[in-house]
Amino acid sequence: EIVMTQSPATLSVSPGERATLSCRASESVSSNLAWYQRKPGQAPRLLIFATSTRATGIPPRFSGSGSGTEFTLTISSLQSEDFGVYYCQQYHTWLTFGGGTKVEIK
Amino acid sequence: EVQLVESGGDLVQPGRSLRLSCAASGFTFDAYAMHWVRQAPGKGLEWVSGISWNGGKIGYADSVKGRFTISRDNAKNSLYLQMNSLRAEDTAFYYCAKDGVRFLEWLTDWGQGTLVTVSS
Repeated sequence: EIVMTQSPATLSVSPGERATLSCRASESVSSNLAWYQRKPGQAPRLLIFATSTRATGIPPRFSGSGSGTEFTLTISSLQSEDFGVYYCQQYHTWLTFGGGTKVEIK
Repeated sequence: EVQLVESGGDLVQPGRSLRLSCAASGFTFDAYAMHWVRQAPGKGLEWVSGISWNGGKIGYADSVKGRFTISRDNAKNSLYLQMNSLRAEDTAFYYCAKDGVRFLEWLTDWGQGTLVTVSS
């Protein structure tokens, strides 16, 4: 089973600043990686699939990059509504999620 | 609008069985893979199982393999999860999720979840 490790566990960012979230796979997942945002009381929201393709309705401040075992989600200018927990998920071999990064508004 | 409504969650004793259902609407059900994902209290998301559009490809997390069985009825727009030999560590909210494509890849829509509690 491919293990996904996210860092940091918690990220405190001021509005307008850049947020960088990392995701590492225990073995290569090629570009088969997605990112989700989850807010309390809400279902997870797909942000990115295929490493860098934004899902429908996702603003361009969200971008994804990487390949193989190292991936990054960047929020270029954090907005107040961007707080929540972010998960990466590989689909190269079945599916596995990372443990999540909590983004707090500083 | 995509709607996914889970049902069947309950309080059950360890070793017992439970069957979850997911009623889907608002999209062409038989064109997409479907999944079950769970979240235990205070924990992150865990993929449980997925099934391709026609049931030809099925996968399970190692933690449930041999105990859980996923199935779908495309005529009824429904997804199921048969859970046997339940353990305390299976306690979680279980979510039905729609894939973005026919096979097991990314998840575009989620239900609100149904709670399974395994306790004596």
